[in-house]
Amino acid sequence: GESVGLHLPTLSVQEGDNSIINCAYSNSASDYFIWYKQESGKGPQFIIDIRSNMDKRQGQRVTVLLNKTVKHLSLQIAATQPGDSAVYFCAEKGAGALTFGSGTRLQVQP
Amino acid sequence: GAGVSQTPSNKVTEKGKYVELRCDPISGHTALYWYRQSLGQGPEFLIYFQGTGAADDSGLPNDRFFAVRPEGSVSTLKIQRTERGDSAVYLCASSRRTSNEQFFGPGTRLTVL
Repeated sequence: GESVGLHLPTLSVQEGDNSIINCAYSNSASDYFIWYKQESGKGPQFIIDIRSNMDKRQGQRVTVLLNKTVKHLSLQIAATQPGDSAVYFCAEKGAGALTFGSGTRLQVQP
Repeated sequence: GAGVSQTPSNKVTEKGKYVELRCDPISGHTALYWYRQSLGQGPEFLIYFQGTGAADDSGLPNDRFFAVRPEGSVSTLKIQRTERGDSAVYLCASSRRTSNEQFFGPGTRLTVL
């Protein structure tokens, strides 16, 4: 079936550096692509979404890039902070529910 | 304001037993979702309600799993004849009808011995 996956299982960065988390998807029919952050023992938390007809969207310290040609999605976090340490999931949304990838763990070193 | 709440936070049961997991969505959210998450994996969709009706139950793994939302608010996920493979964190989320932003609860960790 269709799937959403991630290239890197663990990413370690220094505090203050920029982080880039990547994701490959296979379902070209999805309307939206969404990034979620999940801290230990908590449910996923919405970060940012991008509609399938856009290629870039910016939020507060985060930017999502969508490359439909190669079916690639990335999340850029500027000036990474210790509080950004978590597992990050990309997800795609069609009519209702989300299809999640397996996640990337971001570790921020002080 | 209050977020999505789930009870119990932890449930330990024996193989073959019946369990019920409860979700209280954010007030006014018409859409409610159930997901299941195994260790190291992303959440896996189970069922989605719009109001009282199940709009999509294609993620339920078999007929031992059933969910209801009789008044369009609280939902209960029911698992019959539990198996060890059912052990996971069961997540509930809710959203406004037209929103992409799903708000997740903290989950119920189910352990089947």
